[in-house]
Amino acid sequence: AQKVTQAQTEISVVEKEDVTLDCVYETRDTTYYLFWYKQPPSGELVFLIRRNSFDEQNEISGRYSWNFQKSTSSFNFTITASQVVDSAVYFCALSPNSGYSTLTFGKGTMLLVSP
Amino acid sequence: ETGVTQTPRHLVMGMTNKKSLKCEQHLGHNAMYWYKQSAKKPLELMFVYSLEERVENNSVPSRFSPECPNSSHLFLHLHTLQPEDSALYLCASSQDRRGGITEAFFGQGTRLTVV
Repeated sequence: AQKVTQAQTEISVVEKEDVTLDCVYETRDTTYYLFWYKQPPSGELVFLIRRNSFDEQNEISGRYSWNFQKSTSSFNFTITASQVVDSAVYFCALSPNSGYSTLTFGKGTMLLVSP
Repeated sequence: ETGVTQTPRHLVMGMTNKKSLKCEQHLGHNAMYWYKQSAKKPLELMFVYSLEERVENNSVPSRFSPECPNSSHLFLHLHTLQPEDSALYLCASSQDRRGGITEAFFGQGTRLTVV
């Protein structure tokens, strides 16, 4: 069975602060994929990143960065210099390498960025 | 035109009604999915269609009946629902293949209320 744990239910920061969203996963698969999605109030899930379990390189995209540590089964997401527009619910998800994306989601972390 | 379009955006139905949710993807993908997002619960995968064939049904009650007439369209037929079925129903699509998976793109969802 697969499981994703996002222990932080809600985080509040002030604009320009850095914030890290934690994600811990469990799987027995040797090959799997990890994802982060953003859900703004409008409801749709916006894709942020996909990571293959074989690729442990950290990634940076603008103000966003991801730290994948296979040894601790974690895939944490950091937003640098947060902005009000970053306010949303962020989901970490896990999928086996089954040929199609069957995502197991964490419960999500609500990020509130105030001016 | 967004990549994945869901209609209607909001639906209120009685427990004896029959209604259908529609999803259309304009991304040329070969896999489509239904997810359910209830309050205080993680997003749950309901159904997966790959190449128009249902490949996964995650113990979903028979009052939910999916239909995938072609690779661009996915329906969720609803019949005799219960109030606890009230949720946001999200459709997604992806281009999946053996040897790896890609990210899923989501629609904005249908907010269903069962009265």
